[in-house]
Amino acid sequence: SQTIHQWPATLVQPVGSPLSLECTVEGTSNPNLYWYRQAAGRGLQLLFYSVGIGQISSEVPQNLSASRPQDRQFILSSKKLLLSDSGFYLCAWDTGGDYGYTFGSGTRLTVV
Amino acid sequence: GEDVEQSLFLSVREGDSSVINCTYTDSSSTYLYWYKQEPGAGLQLLTYIFSNMDMKQDQRLTVLLNKKDKHLSLRIADTQTGDSAIYFCAEIDDYKLSFGAGTTVTVRA
Repeated sequence: SQTIHQWPATLVQPVGSPLSLECTVEGTSNPNLYWYRQAAGRGLQLLFYSVGIGQISSEVPQNLSASRPQDRQFILSSKKLLLSDSGFYLCAWDTGGDYGYTFGSGTRLTVV
Repeated sequence: GEDVEQSLFLSVREGDSSVINCTYTDSSSTYLYWYKQEPGAGLQLLTYIFSNMDMKQDQRLTVLLNKKDKHLSLRIADTQTGDSAIYFCAEIDDYKLSFGAGTTVTVRA
């Protein structure tokens, strides 16, 4: 069966520190992969998406970057975190159809 | 999220029906979706409707779509405490989902 894993579940990081969030998908090949951010009391903002290994599209210019080193692995990174990077980060995947995404359980990031 | 709008809060009594409304802008969206987010969790796909349908029913859930007005609604019959969550509607454009800000549904006894 298909599953998606995100870790860590929660993270508290100081301003200026680096960030690496990982997402992996099991049970499917060549998925489209997505990173969303949900700020407190706000909707979901698409940050990055990837249709294949090494292919990253950025939706919003910001302090973050993404990489896809393997088919089913998607990594969200930052070299220096800002307070405004706090939020709930969600990874999702689909296979390019119109049947919606499957989301991971999310990572709660607090930058202090 | 600017292209998809939802009211932010809904309070409903247990056992009553909940109706969550959404407007969207992309008339070419082939599907429209409803997701549910429980506290501290990811999003769970509740249901979706193909754009050439007016209505879809799935157990306690009824989705109504008015393409002319670009209006989507989700009705939850016999609302239970476990239905307390944030509900997101979403449209799809070139395989990318755009979400509304979410409606927080609170079920009171």
